[in-house]
Amino acid sequence: EVQLLESGGGLVQPGGSLRLSCAASGFTFSSYAMSWVRQAPGKGLEWVSAISGSGGSTYYADSVKGRFTISRDNSKNTLYLQMNSLRAEDTAVYYCAKVAVEYQLLHEFDYWGQGTLVTVSS
Amino acid sequence: EIVMTQSPATLSVSPGERATLSCRASQSVSSNLAWYQQKPGQAPRLLIYGASTRATGIPARFSGSGSGTEFTLTISSLQSEDFAVYYCQQYNNWPSRFGQGTKVEIK
Repeated sequence: EVQLLESGGGLVQPGGSLRLSCAASGFTFSSYAMSWVRQAPGKGLEWVSAISGSGGSTYYADSVKGRFTISRDNSKNTLYLQMNSLRAEDTAVYYCAKVAVEYQLLHEFDYWGQGTLVTVSS
Repeated sequence: EIVMTQSPATLSVSPGERATLSCRASQSVSSNLAWYQQKPGQAPRLLIYGASTRATGIPARFSGSGSGTEFTLTISSLQSEDFAVYYCQQYNNWPSRFGQGTKVEIK
């Protein structure tokens, strides 16, 4: 059974940093690209970042480019999102999501974690 | 960047009735479109991919159609568990984008 478990969310001041983790199980982690998708309170879904299975290719939304860094440790089956220079508008539930098709970066997401809440406020 | 526009924002439907949700892309995304269902406090769930293929375990009352820029999700006979927010997502070009969502509520 595929499972994705996010952690690392919390309250952080504007300008601060936070690192999110997503522990994956139930599939060959290194064969699948992964993404982070966020949802501000009461709002819709926003794709944030993606990383290939090997970690060699990464993509970012313009809204986080230069501030967020996606990475993965395939030996630990874990996805990360390092978030720096956080702003109030980064407040959201952050989901990790598995790409459905092996070795493809841009595809639908077939499994999602339950999300971790990041609140940026002074 | 491709912009995804969903309509209507809210759809009021009685149980047992048919619901038709629309998603429009600002430029062609071929058939690289997915639909997701999200209930309050839950993660999204994949319903449809490739514009018209049901994901594993999704009931046959859910169907998707369209290609290019115009897409439709149809729920043939709404059940109580179908009242939720539905999002379309294009995965033809970077950045992948979601529509703003359609809330299906009980009439």
